[in-house]
Amino acid sequence: NAGVTQTPKFQVLKTGQSMTLQCAQDMNHEYMSWYRQDPGMGLRLIHYSVGAGITDQGEVPNGYNVSRSTTEDFPLRLLSAAPSQTSVYFCASGQGVSSYEQYFGPGTRLTVT
Amino acid sequence: GESVGLHLPTLSVQEGDNSIINCAYSNSASDYFIWYKQESGKGPQFIIDIRSNMDKRQGQRVTVLLNKTVKHLSLQIAATQPGDSAVYFCAEQGADGLTFGKGTHLIIQP
Repeated sequence: NAGVTQTPKFQVLKTGQSMTLQCAQDMNHEYMSWYRQDPGMGLRLIHYSVGAGITDQGEVPNGYNVSRSTTEDFPLRLLSAAPSQTSVYFCASGQGVSSYEQYFGPGTRLTVT
Repeated sequence: GESVGLHLPTLSVQEGDNSIINCAYSNSASDYFIWYKQESGKGPQFIIDIRSNMDKRQGQRVTVLLNKTVKHLSLQIAATQPGDSAVYFCAEQGADGLTFGKGTHLIIQP
């Protein structure tokens, strides 16, 4: 049971480039979410999904897209990277949106130059 | 702005002492509060949670206290060990997901 996995671990992009951060979980969780963590701050919710085919916006969704075609995968797409998107990105999953025990992946450290 | 916050960015304690990490929240409608531990280079790890209709909950070496009158949450770690060194976040469960505070860095001195 691998839990929540994220790839890549590190990524450097130039302004304007696009990329997809991958997230997968093998716990059959319905709820998945993406957070970003900036220095000296807590995590902020970007997008979330309560099940396959269903996604919704969190606190800071601008500049990011998500899709949920399967229960296991929840990729995060940066359409046109900006330096303000330099951050550490965490994916999490849980039994439901009201599942208080969320499991977090190891994170992707993204730098946009 | 932040609906959940922490009083101190850094807390230094002696190994073996008890640690108390504090958190203030502003959303009185929150039903559930959670403490997470984040070690360097890793994702947050669930420690303990508490519902709004409780004022205390105990786990293994950890206790969470909730004071709804002053909107205050605390995490107590008994007999602090080197492995407890991490950043601790309080979070509240909302309709969409978790709202995190900024975190307290717990430093363990030998």
